[in-house]
Amino acid sequence: ILNVEQSPQSLHVQEGDSTNFTCSFPSSNFYALHWYRWETAKSPEALFVMTLNGDEKKKGRISATLNTKEGYSYLYIKGSQPEDSATYLCAFLSDRDSSYKLIFGSGTRLLVRP
Amino acid sequence: EPEVTQTPSHQVTQMGQEVILRCVPISNHLYFYWYRQILGQKVEFLVSFYNNEISEKSEIFDDQFSVERPDGSNFTLKIRSTKLEDSAMYFCASSVLGRFTDTQYFGPGTRLTVL
Repeated sequence: ILNVEQSPQSLHVQEGDSTNFTCSFPSSNFYALHWYRWETAKSPEALFVMTLNGDEKKKGRISATLNTKEGYSYLYIKGSQPEDSATYLCAFLSDRDSSYKLIFGSGTRLLVRP
Repeated sequence: EPEVTQTPSHQVTQMGQEVILRCVPISNHLYFYWYRQILGQKVEFLVSFYNNEISEKSEIFDDQFSVERPDGSNFTLKIRSTKLEDSAMYFCASSVLGRFTDTQYFGPGTRLTVL
């Protein structure tokens, strides 16, 4: 059974703190990893789609790294702001015999206090 | 900025009834998806659709579910005979390119409540 784990489940930080969280996924049959930012009462917003081992992607103060060999991705937020408060979801895409499975993690809920 | 829209925002139905959830993807997008999130659980992929055909589907997407692009703009998810466990938030998404490696844009969701 494919499982995707995210840690921590929730995180409270002070404005200006930098933070990071983890997405762990199976290291076999990797095809892609997605990161989403999901604010309450809004739609999930795509942050990154990562496909290559060693990938590093950046969008403003948010960046992500990918290690497909050991099965993890880190999401970093530099200098957190209250508007970064959201749930951050990762989704692992596996490719086995040309059949794709997209499995989501439970998310890390980030609250940034002013 | 173009966005994916979904209607209705909330649908209440009786067990055994058919429901159709509607989505209008972004106009130049070619790939369409349905996801759901049962309250307190993870988001789950249901189905992807391209060129008027299902391209991938999960184990959840059984014969009770069907998808259609009835015209040039709408993308619908039909649940033939709803069960209590179909109660969930259903999200539609679209992307320009497919195979899950392109950025997907999500709609705001339809909350389905089956009584």
